[in-house]
Amino acid sequence: KQEVTQIPAALSVPEGENLVLNCSFTDSAIYNLQWFRQDPGKGLTSLLLIQSSQREQTSGRLNASLDKSSGRSTLYIAASQPGDSATYLCAPYNNNDMRFGAGTRLTVKP
Amino acid sequence: GAVVSQHPSRVICKSGTSVKIECRSLDFQATTMFWYRQFPKKSLMLMATSNEGSKATYEQGVEKDKFLINHASLTLSTLTVTSAHPEDSSFYICSVSGRAYNEQFFGPGTRLTVL
Repeated sequence: KQEVTQIPAALSVPEGENLVLNCSFTDSAIYNLQWFRQDPGKGLTSLLLIQSSQREQTSGRLNASLDKSSGRSTLYIAASQPGDSATYLCAPYNNNDMRFGAGTRLTVKP
Repeated sequence: GAVVSQHPSRVICKSGTSVKIECRSLDFQATTMFWYRQFPKKSLMLMATSNEGSKATYEQGVEKDKFLINHASLTLSTLTVTSAHPEDSSFYICSVSGRAYNEQFFGPGTRLTVL
């Protein structure tokens, strides 16, 4: 059974900083991996999806990398803004089975 | 991606009553639907997976007689929480996938509060 770990559990940074969120997973046989954002009390917003054949995906200030063989993914957020404050979840996907990490709760201070 | 809706978005009920949550795939043939539960400040936990026209497969520790799942069509799945208790209070999220099986699309979630 896939186990997903996200480090750190919480992160507080001043506005403008670049930051990296880490995700590790135990079963490297995945189709893809997805990063989500969740605001308090809300549903999931998909940020980036990386296919197993890809090494990274970029969307605006976000860049996600995937090292499938070592079971790791990172989400890089450039020039962080207060509006980036949320919980970020990673979820590797394999054979119709998606498992979530516990998330990293990010706070960006003005 | 697919557009997924859930109804209701929020429900409050008394202990002992049953609550039905609907998950609809508005523009996508959802051969498989998933139900997740999320407790406060915790991650999403998969409850069950259902294929259209088949019985749902429940994760270990999830009571199938308490959480009734019906996936009668390619666009609708329902989760019924029977004889709800305060410990069932949670955020319930559904997702759908199609025949390609390589991506899930999530609904906005339903917040259940059992008094």
